[in-house]
Amino acid sequence: GENVEQHPSTLSVQEGDSAVIKCTYSDSASNYFPWYKQELGKGPQLIIDIRSNVGEKKDQRIAVTLNKTAKHFSLHITETQPEDSAVYFCAASKQSGGTASKLTFGTGTRLQVTL
Amino acid sequence: DAGVIQSPRHEVTEMGQEVTLRCKPISGHNSLFWYRQTMMRGLELLIYFNNNVPIDDSGMPEDRFSAKMPNASFSTLKIQPSEPRDSAVYFCASSPGAGGPGNEQFFGPGTRLTVL
Repeated sequence: GENVEQHPSTLSVQEGDSAVIKCTYSDSASNYFPWYKQELGKGPQLIIDIRSNVGEKKDQRIAVTLNKTAKHFSLHITETQPEDSAVYFCAASKQSGGTASKLTFGTGTRLQVTL
Repeated sequence: DAGVIQSPRHEVTEMGQEVTLRCKPISGHNSLFWYRQTMMRGLELLIYFNNNVPIDDSGMPEDRFSAKMPNASFSTLKIQPSEPRDSAVYFCASSPGAGGPGNEQFFGPGTRLTVL
């Protein structure tokens, strides 16, 4: 089955700096890669996703890149703010026919943005 | 939209008791997922349904766990009998599936289960 590895497990940056979280996956058939943000006491919230037919996607201060050949994808947060502090999870799945399929999650990265 | 609704939010029970967790997916979503989150094992998929039919229950830890989805707006996850090692946060998520643009899953707030 799919295996997703995520690094680093913890990341501390100063406010205004950039943060990068990296993930690798094992199943070359995986074609959908979402990123989730989980704040304390809450469920994971989808923040951005990318499909295997594109290499990069941006949404304001957040961007995700995908390298299908190397089977890795990354989350980039620019101009970090204290409210970005949370645990971030990457995930991968093999989507076909428009039906939902299971996500395999990474182990999470605890991001702390300091003042 | 109210999002995915889970109840109860917190459950404390004693070993051996039956526990039932409930989930109401987002209206119109065709797929529903049950996850368990612990510090040791992270986020684990237990089971998921497409159009109320269980598709993959390979993540269900053992026969003590069972899940049902009697209709498109309700699902339960039952643990009988419960054990201390079942203590975790249980999340329900729903997805538009075939009815939407793709595989996006939307999570509920979770149920924190403590088995004494």
